[in-house]
Amino acid sequence: EIVLTQSPGTLSLSPGERATLSCRASQSVSSSYLVWYQQKPGQAPRLLIYGASSRATGIPDRFSGSGSGTDFTLTISRLEPEDFAVYYCQQYGSSSYTFGQGTKLEIK
Amino acid sequence: QVQLVQSGAEVKKPGASVKLSCKASGYTFTSYYMHWVRQAPGQGLEWMGIITPSGGNTGYAQKFQGRVIMTRDTSTSTVYMELSSLRSEDTAVYYCARELPDSCYFDDWGQGTLVTVSS
Repeated sequence: EIVLTQSPGTLSLSPGERATLSCRASQSVSSSYLVWYQQKPGQAPRLLIYGASSRATGIPDRFSGSGSGTDFTLTISRLEPEDFAVYYCQQYGSSSYTFGQGTKLEIK
Repeated sequence: QVQLVQSGAEVKKPGASVKLSCKASGYTFTSYYMHWVRQAPGQGLEWMGIITPSGGNTGYAQKFQGRVIMTRDTSTSTVYMELSSLRSEDTAVYYCARELPDSCYFDDWGQGTLVTVSS
């Protein structure tokens, strides 16, 4: 099973700043199958990015994804107050889906 | 619009079983796969398995093999997930989530169902 490790565990930033979140896989992941979600307290996860770099419907262009192989990044160019949440990466491989442990983005 | 509406919270004793439902609307039920994902309190997301509403085919995460059964009722556009031999570690919010076939991501989620396992 592919293990996804996200870093940092917690990221403290201010609105307007740039956020860079990392997702590292224990073995190579197809870019087609690397996904990012946002989750706010008490809510279900929300799809942000699929195929490593494609924004889901309705997702603002301040969110972008990049990477390949074992290293993937979610970047939020200028943080808005509503962006403070937990972010998860997810991959599909060998008939199984796995998630990273999450990065909490908190207001500094 | 797409809606996945899940059944209400459950409280179960260790060793019991629980059966959750997820009713889909706003799209063609048989055109999307459905998954179950759970989240223990304060923890991350854990994939449990998949069902194809068109044929009823299933695939389960190894961790849950033998303890989980996913079924569907196409007449009511509802999928079900039954988890047996419950233990305290199964206390979690359980989500159903939709996948466009072979996209390998979940584009819509139910609101979640809290299952509490306690003696």
